[in-house]
This record gives sequence, C-alpha cells and structure tokens, in this order.
Amino acid sequence: QVQLQESGPGLVKPSETLSLTCAVSGYSISSGYYWGWIRQPPGKGLEWIGSIYHSGSTYYNPSLKSRVTISVDTSKNQFSLKLSSVTAADTAVYYCARGHYDSSGYYYPFDYWGQGTLVTVSS
Amino acid sequence: EIVLTQSPGTLSLSPGERATLSCRASQSVSSSYLAWYQQKPGQAPRLLIYGASSRATGIPDRFSGSGSGTDFTLTISRLEPEDFAVYYCQQYGSSLNTFGQGTKLEIK
Repeated sequence: QVQLQESGPGLVKPSETLSLTCAVSGYSISSGYYWGWIRQPPGKGLEWIGSIYHSGSTYYNPSLKSRVTISVDTSKNQFSLKLSSVTAADTAVYYCARGHYDSSGYYYPFDYWGQGTLVTVSS
Repeated sequence: EIVLTQSPGTLSLSPGERATLSCRASQSVSSSYLAWYQQKPGQAPRLLIYGASSRATGIPDRFSGSGSGTDFTLTISRLEPEDFAVYYCQQYGSSLNTFGQGTKLEIK
C-alpha cells in the first residue's frame, strides 16, 4: 500500500523559505511515477504547485515558478518542496501526491495523496 | 495555461436525486486527460474519474464522467448521503496541471 506523508515546519516567517518533505512508503520513488505538490489556502480551492517526473524533469505553476524548487532524494525515498520569499498568501494546507504513466506513455492523475500539512506564514 | 471553469459553484440537491457537474476548459484538453476529485472537510482529495470517463479503483458506478475537448461532465446518478462534498476537475494532459475552482454539492 502506497503511503505519502508530508513533514516540515508549521510556521514560517515572511520572506523566508518554506521547506517540506514528502516521505513515500510502499513504493520506490525511483520507479516510473511522477510526484507533485498541491496546496489549498484555508477555505479555498486546490492549486497545483508543480511536479517532478521519473526523468528528473520538473514543471511548475507559472505563477510560482520563480520561487519554487521540487527535488527527489532517492536514497531516502522522498521528495521535497522549497518555496522562497513567502508571504501570508502562501498560508495553506500543502499536499504531496503521486501520479503515474504506463508503458505506452498514457498518463494517470494523482491517485495517492498525503494527509496534508498546514503551513502558516506569520511573524 | 489551460483555465478550468466549474459550474455551478454550489448545487443543492436531496439524497436520491441526480447531480450533474460541469467543467469547461479554455482550450482543448489533450487526450481527454481530465480528472475529477471529491474532497470532504479535513480530508485530502480522492480521485474519482480519470481520462474523462474511467472510474478509479473502488469508485461506485453511480459516479460517471463524460465529455471531450473543452466540455466535461461528472454525473452522480443517485445521491447518497456520503456524496455531499466539494468536487474538483483537473486537467493533467499538459505539463502544467490546473484545477477548477470547485463545485460544492450540499444537501437541500
């Protein structure tokens, strides 16, 4: 059974960098899947932050691209999110999730999600 | 970037009724890479439909998806009490994923 678990500080000061990690269990992160980060401000909808693919390619939401970095640590079977220069607008529940594609190149959306972690940006 | 617009914003229905939720894309969605998720308060989203019309594992057959190009629909044939939640569509065909703003399905 695939499980994802987010971890990181629940409180970040304005202008600092938000750093979160998603630990994956039940599956090797280096296999043919892609991994993503999604956030949800309190009371609002879902916003895709970015994804990293098995090839190492990364894709980011254009509105966040200048501040986001997603990376994978295969030795620890986890992937990470860094969001720099945060403001109160970055306060949200942050989710990590897994998507996959089959041998024919057909893509599937995020089918496994972490429980989410609330990050508050405040001084 | 593909923008997804969901309608209505809120849908008020009674258990046993049929629900029809719409998702319209600003441009054609590649290979019908359109998904639907259900989210309940305090929970992560749950994948319902992928590829516009395929049910994810374990999803009851009262949930069905249809559409192609720019117009997609999620239908719940007969509402159960546990179906009242917020529903999101997502396009994942381009390297830049996007979500719709959501439709809240509430008990009338």
